Amino acid sequence: IAGITQAPTSQILAAGRRMTLRCTQDMRHNAMYWYRQDLGLGLRLIHYSNTAGTTGKGEVPDGYSVSRANTDDFPLTLASAVPSQTSVYFCASRPGINYGYTFGSGTRLTVV
Amino acid sequence: AQSVAQPEDQVNVAEGNPLTVKCTYSVSGNPYLFWYVQYPNRGLQFLLKYITGDNLVKGSYGFEAEFNKSQTSFHLKKPSALVSDSALYFCAVRDEGTGFQKLVFGTGTRLLVSP
Repeated sequence: IAGITQAPTSQILAAGRRMTLRCTQDMRHNAMYWYRQDLGLGLRLIHYSNTAGTTGKGEVPDGYSVSRANTDDFPLTLASAVPSQTSVYFCASRPGINYGYTFGSGTRLTVV
Repeated sequence: AQSVAQPEDQVNVAEGNPLTVKCTYSVSGNPYLFWYVQYPNRGLQFLLKYITGDNLVKGSYGFEAEFNKSQTSFHLKKPSALVSDSALYFCAVRDEGTGFQKLVFGTGTRLLVSP
């Protein structure tokens, strides 16, 4: 693989269920991000990680958690899904301060 | 906090004509600005960035953007549009908080290029 891989591509999830969205990169980028994309709202930051072992909250962190055990992986967990978490989720990474982000292809999640 | 605004939800242009997708910014300090493109069912792809230097920035696929400090704008342009340019375009600005950096995105502009 080259770049960022997200899994699954899409998922329909019952409300109240737990779900982990996976994100793996092979570029050795230090910083990684999770965004959600909603119509009319653009992309909003959920959580970020500057480097392995550290994480932080973005604009809309409630209901989500992340971990960064190593450089390559940055999973996003929904502990108990709610319909308002229906969205397209994008994982991204960047190599340094003045660089643009590399995005994954996204996970389309529907909570019913 | 830094922010960008994209005033147009959609821009329509005929193939071969020049195109402009508008973006204005609000920042404290020097702006670090980006443009991304999203094709259907795909992630965002980096087009170009402005950090410092020349006000006209050239990017991928023949796109360029003009940084205008007095008008606080960073409009995306292309001299001759292609049907394949039809996509969703996002302007973004780098925002720095305590111990982190992030990109703040606009709401996006859909570009539709007709044959």
